[in-house]
Amino acid sequence: DTGVSQDPRHKITKRGQNVTFRCDPISEHNRLYWYRQTLGQGPEFLTYFQNEAQLEKSRLLSDRFSAERPKGSFSTLEIQRTEQGDSAMYLCASSAGTANEKLFFGSGTQLSVL
Amino acid sequence: DAKTTQPNSMESNEEEPVHLPCNHSTISGTDYIHWYRQLPSQGPEYVIHGLTSNVNNRMASLAIAEDRKSSTLILHRATLRDAAVYYCILRDLRGSYGKLTFGQGTILTVHP
Repeated sequence: DTGVSQDPRHKITKRGQNVTFRCDPISEHNRLYWYRQTLGQGPEFLTYFQNEAQLEKSRLLSDRFSAERPKGSFSTLEIQRTEQGDSAMYLCASSAGTANEKLFFGSGTQLSVL
Repeated sequence: DAKTTQPNSMESNEEEPVHLPCNHSTISGTDYIHWYRQLPSQGPEYVIHGLTSNVNNRMASLAIAEDRKSSTLILHRATLRDAAVYYCILRDLRGSYGKLTFGQGTILTVHP
């Protein structure tokens, strides 16, 4: 159990560029979540995968955001045409399939849009 | 998800007990009470959870009021490493895929 891994840890980009983040969940965890966190706020839910199926998306996930989890293993979160308001910490979490299982979070990717 | 109310911040001295309160007056019968904490520059980590009875683990204790409208996370002997934001979360497992809905949490400061 190596924990949830996120890459990169930090990303600086210019407004209008596309960025992609990767999350490697704990192996055999079939549930994967993406959250966004801005300074001084708690994490906000973005989207949820069970295996490769994206089952829930928040209204926060505008059409510039897309997430995938091919083959039900790692996941990617892409932001197209980034805006300064996208600057935040993007957190990934995974859990096993049981109902009340705790979530394990990665350390996040800090995005700064200049 | 039902809402929780926590103080914005609390302070403690090292090696003293800390009681972090959480109000959840609209809790439903199927809501579990979860606590997570977030250390600086890290993602949240699980602390403890319960439904009706008090719970203990190696990290903390959770005391749940008889009417379940409030709960208290107890750190028995605070250390400097316990300085973090503590989130009290109600988790209804029906139809929510187990996601957590975070509030703003309580910032705990521990003084040496």
